[in-house]
Amino acid sequence: GDSVTQMEGPVTLSEEAFLTINCTYTATGYPSLFWYVQYPGEGLQLLLKATKADDKGSNKGFEATYRKETTSFHLEKGSVQVSDSAVYFCALSDSNYQLIWGAGTKLIIKP
Amino acid sequence: DTAVSQTPKYLVTQMGNDKSIKCEQNLGHDTMYWYKQDSKKFLKIMFSYNNKELIINETVPNRFSPKSPDKAHLNLHINSLELGDSAVYFCASSPLASGEKLFFGSGTQLSVL
Repeated sequence: GDSVTQMEGPVTLSEEAFLTINCTYTATGYPSLFWYVQYPGEGLQLLLKATKADDKGSNKGFEATYRKETTSFHLEKGSVQVSDSAVYFCALSDSNYQLIWGAGTKLIIKP
Repeated sequence: DTAVSQTPKYLVTQMGNDKSIKCEQNLGHDTMYWYKQDSKKFLKIMFSYNNKELIINETVPNRFSPKSPDKAHLNLHINSLELGDSAVYFCASSPLASGEKLFFGSGTQLSVL
């Protein structure tokens, strides 16, 4: 079945560092891909999405490119802030258009 | 105006009790969900309702029973609570049954003692 694999956390960085959180997927067909973010004590919220190969989703300085050849959707940000500390979830929509979730990656940014 | 609101935010109870969590969305969405998030942040879908009809019912003990009185509300009732039910439960909604864009509530932290 379809699945999503994310790098294990926590990922700890200093402020202004470059961020990459890896996400790879296994799916039949051509799923849409998503990144959701969960700030402490809150529910998840959609951060960005991409619906087809080579699409780039972007929001709040975060970017991710849908790479069909490597089945990846890595999340990147050029300069992280303390306020980016959260748990990040990669997800894909399966053939029934339901979301399949990764395990989440906790990001800790130190001042 | 909170888009997806769930109550209570915290719920502490004894094993064997019955409890309910309520969820309401004011976004006009047709589809609502219950998710369970464990202590390692792993997210698991439990149920999904589209316009008051059950469309997803994952492998969940039948002690868990969702109820949707109308498409803006989806409540979760849990009978005979067990220690392993301790988790954060999230309600969510989406505009389509496709479930691709979800709006989450802020969660209910359930602790079973």
